[in-house]
Amino acid sequence: AIQMTQSPSSLSASAGDRVTITCRASQGVRNALGWYQQRPGKAPNLLIYDASNLQSGVPSRFSGSGSGTDFTLTISSLQPEDVATYYCLQDYNYPWTFGQGTKVEIK
Amino acid sequence: QVQLVQSGAEVKKPGASVKVSCKASGYTLTSYYMHWMRQAPGQGLEWMGLIDPSGGNTRYAQNLQGRVTMTRDTSSSIVYMELSSLRSEDTAVYYCARRYCSSTNCYFDYWGQGTLVTVSS
Repeated sequence: AIQMTQSPSSLSASAGDRVTITCRASQGVRNALGWYQQRPGKAPNLLIYDASNLQSGVPSRFSGSGSGTDFTLTISSLQPEDVATYYCLQDYNYPWTFGQGTKVEIK
Repeated sequence: QVQLVQSGAEVKKPGASVKVSCKASGYTLTSYYMHWMRQAPGQGLEWMGLIDPSGGNTRYAQNLQGRVTMTRDTSSSIVYMELSSLRSEDTAVYYCARRYCSSTNCYFDYWGQGTLVTVSS
C-alpha cells in the first residue's frame, strides 16, 4: 500500500498567517491527491482534488500544488474557521490511503 | 441536493456484528461508487472498502477481509456496511462517502454524518 506522510502533525499560527502543510507519498501518485478538512465532531469535507483543483464553494485562500510524490496545501491567510485537522488522501490506487493528519490551531 | 444519511449510534459486545446503513438522496445511487471509512477516537481516517451500487461488486481493505460485507438495496437507495466479530479496536465513527467521477477526475464529494459504533463488554 502507498504510505502517505504528512507534516507537521500539528501547528499553531496567528490569524492572517500563511500556513503550509506537506504530504509525501511513498511512491508516485501522479496528481491523484485530495485534501480534506475535518472540523471537530464533523465529517471530512473536500477542499482540493487532483492536487490543485479547488472544490466548488471552498474559499480561494486554500490552494494545493504538487505532483508525483510531494504535495502541498496552503492557506494564504488563516481564519478562525480554519481550525480543523487536514488530511491528504491518495486517490491513485487500491487501497486508498490517508495521511495521518495535521491539526491546525489559532494562536 | 445530494445527501447521505447514516443510521444511528450502536453499542455492541465483542464478537457481535453491526450493520450500518447509508441512505442516498438527490442523485441516482447506481451512478457512483460508495466507499466506507472509519475513524477511531482521536485517530486518523482509515479506508475500509467500496461497493459499486450498480452491480454490487465490492473491494475491501486487506485487514478487514473476511469480517466486512458491503451490500446495497437499489430500490431504497441504501448501502450497508456490516462488520462481524467485533473487537474493542473496531470502536470508531464510520462514514460512507460518495466517489464522484467525471470524465477527467474522481473524488469524495459527499460524506455521511458518521455513525459511532462502540464495542464494549
